[in-house]
Amino acid sequence: GIQVEQSPPDLILQEGANSTLRCNFSDSVNNLQWFHQNPWGQLINLFYIPSGTKQNGRLSATTVATERYSLLYISSSQTTDSGVYFCAGHSGGYQKVTFGIGTKLQVIP
Amino acid sequence: EAQVTQNPRYLITVTGKKLTVTCSQNMNHEYMSWYRQDPGLGLRQIYYSMNVEVTDKGDVPEGYKVSRKEKRNFPLILESPSPNQTSLYFCASSLFWREGDGYTFGSGTRLTVV
Repeated sequence: GIQVEQSPPDLILQEGANSTLRCNFSDSVNNLQWFHQNPWGQLINLFYIPSGTKQNGRLSATTVATERYSLLYISSSQTTDSGVYFCAGHSGGYQKVTFGIGTKLQVIP
Repeated sequence: EAQVTQNPRYLITVTGKKLTVTCSQNMNHEYMSWYRQDPGLGLRQIYYSMNVEVTDKGDVPEGYKVSRKEKRNFPLILESPSPNQTSLYFCASSLFWREGDGYTFGSGTRLTVV
């Protein structure tokens, strides 16, 4: 199966700062998605982004499928952005899904 | 409200005692899947289902069973739980796996096997 590598593993930001999270894939993927897990454990889908760029408020994501990576941008971070960010994708023509181990973000006031 | 409902939220059980974690979605989604989350390992797929009566193994299926008799329900069965199955479990569903409508996750089930 594919390998999914996320960086950085941990990140501490001052409120208001910007950040970029990265997701690298060992092989081509389909249906790439980004998720946020809040400190209470709830998982929320942020973006479905197999290629190109999408924006939703202060968050945006870019996937360059030919180079097997995706980026998640967080601008003007807030304490509510804290939690763990995961990327995940389907590999090849299969229905299996592989997640990265996540980037743990802490936004401090 | 569109949602995925998992029950129970918390469960403590003893080794070998069969248990079922239920998962139900009200969005008419074809694709459903179970994951376990362990510290340092992220989420790992246990089983998935593309539609009624169609299920397949994920990366960590050993010790688990699933069934998909109805579109809305996808229970996870542990026939003989062991302590290494202590974990946080999530059920997820999406409209079409290929189109990645975007997963909707349940609230999670924290299982402890003693």
